Amino acid sequence: ETGVTQTPRHLVMGMTNKKSLKCEQHLGHNAMYWYKQSAKKPLELMFVYSLEERVENNSVPSRFSPECPNSSHLFLHLHTLQPEDSALYLCASSQTPSGGTYNEQFFGPGTRLTVL
Amino acid sequence: LAKTTQPISMDSYEGQEVNITCSHNNIATNDYITWYQQFPSQGPRFIIQGYKTKVTNEVASLFIPADRKSSTLSLPRVSLSDTAVYYCLVGDMRNFNKFYFGSGTKLNVKP
Repeated sequence: ETGVTQTPRHLVMGMTNKKSLKCEQHLGHNAMYWYKQSAKKPLELMFVYSLEERVENNSVPSRFSPECPNSSHLFLHLHTLQPEDSALYLCASSQTPSGGTYNEQFFGPGTRLTVL
Repeated sequence: LAKTTQPISMDSYEGQEVNITCSHNNIATNDYITWYQQFPSQGPRFIIQGYKTKVTNEVASLFIPADRKSSTLSLPRVSLSDTAVYYCLVGDMRNFNKFYFGSGTKLNVKP
């Protein structure tokens, strides 16, 4: 148990569906992340939120839409996905001191997404 | 972007010391080197982090040469439960777009 939870753990959706992934961290951290892990690719950083503001969007298609309503919650809204979007989606959090050094990220268990 | 290169896989036996080397030729001055461990169907877990020389904690050691273009994760006396994928990460928390996990090294520990 890392203090980061993700729901659902498994999700199957059609290409025309709209769904959302949820992440919650109970660690009091101020930064949250979405990663995508495909079978044949390295772990890919998708989005970063620091102090509830999006600070990074790594050229992610617009069919993925993140939302960070507060420092403890992070959502990934999905719509009109493609089969190649099937992957494990991981959420992580960390504490970022101002001007400080790297702090470890705590990962959730992930959501296994299958797009039919 | 400081990308990393690691061996795709390694085999070892229980009780042996395992050393996994990561190359990061383009590491920047402010980048730290961090290693994560990932078991199937789980998120990665932090193992150790360093900037230069040697760092040791209760589970591993990290060796970083003076030029910082590579690093070596050392796992003493591995057990079957150490079978996992190990990722070398180079990045600077102040520049989130510099995070790059790489493909990882699949460590197989045999009895």
